[in-house]
Amino acid sequence: GAVVSQHPSWVICKSGTSVKIECRSLDFQATTMFWYRQFPKQSLMLMATSNEGSKATYEQGVEKDKFLINHASLTLSTLTVTSAHPEDSSFYICSAPKEPYEQYFGPGTRLTVT
Amino acid sequence: QKEVEQDPGPLSVPEGAIVSLNCTYSNSAFQYFMWYRQYSRKGPELLMYTYSSGNKEDGRFTAQVDKSSKYISLFIRDSQPSDSATYLCAPKQTGANNLFFGTGTRLTVIP
Repeated sequence: GAVVSQHPSWVICKSGTSVKIECRSLDFQATTMFWYRQFPKQSLMLMATSNEGSKATYEQGVEKDKFLINHASLTLSTLTVTSAHPEDSSFYICSAPKEPYEQYFGPGTRLTVT
Repeated sequence: QKEVEQDPGPLSVPEGAIVSLNCTYSNSAFQYFMWYRQYSRKGPELLMYTYSSGNKEDGRFTAQVDKSSKYISLFIRDSQPSDSATYLCAPKQTGANNLFFGTGTRLTVIP
């Protein structure tokens, strides 16, 4: 299967600071990437769709000014959690679709806000 | 009604048992049906996918889709402790990139 990487895999930050998470498709190009968050023992919740060369599309209830998404190239999307608070602590996962119908996930980033 | 319904479990079986994991869906436009396996604190891993109705076998795993009843199944034969994980069904429409996830079923295979 294809490979999607995420960096960092784990990050601790203080309340009020910002954190950037990178998602890369290593062996294929992705004009679209997806960002999910997952709380313990719960399923994936789609946050936003990242589009190369255009603005991201956010799901209802997700603050676009808090979760900044930039799809800088065909292999890189970044999610920046701005002014992080403890309630933003979660597991963030990105995915990238690969033609014709497969979709591959990154290993996830565990964010802890203290 | 949710797009995809999946029994969250947990499901515990002894090693060697046959496991049946199931989902139902409501959107008749779904044409591709994915199964993902997610180990604790890891990203989901694509296990199998099928197109439209029918069966697909890969080793100990068999995916089955019945579009007439909107029912998706994943069977695991000769289950192993290493199969202990959460299994997520995720159908999608033709031409669309986004997946619709079930809640996931947590499976534990007891040695």
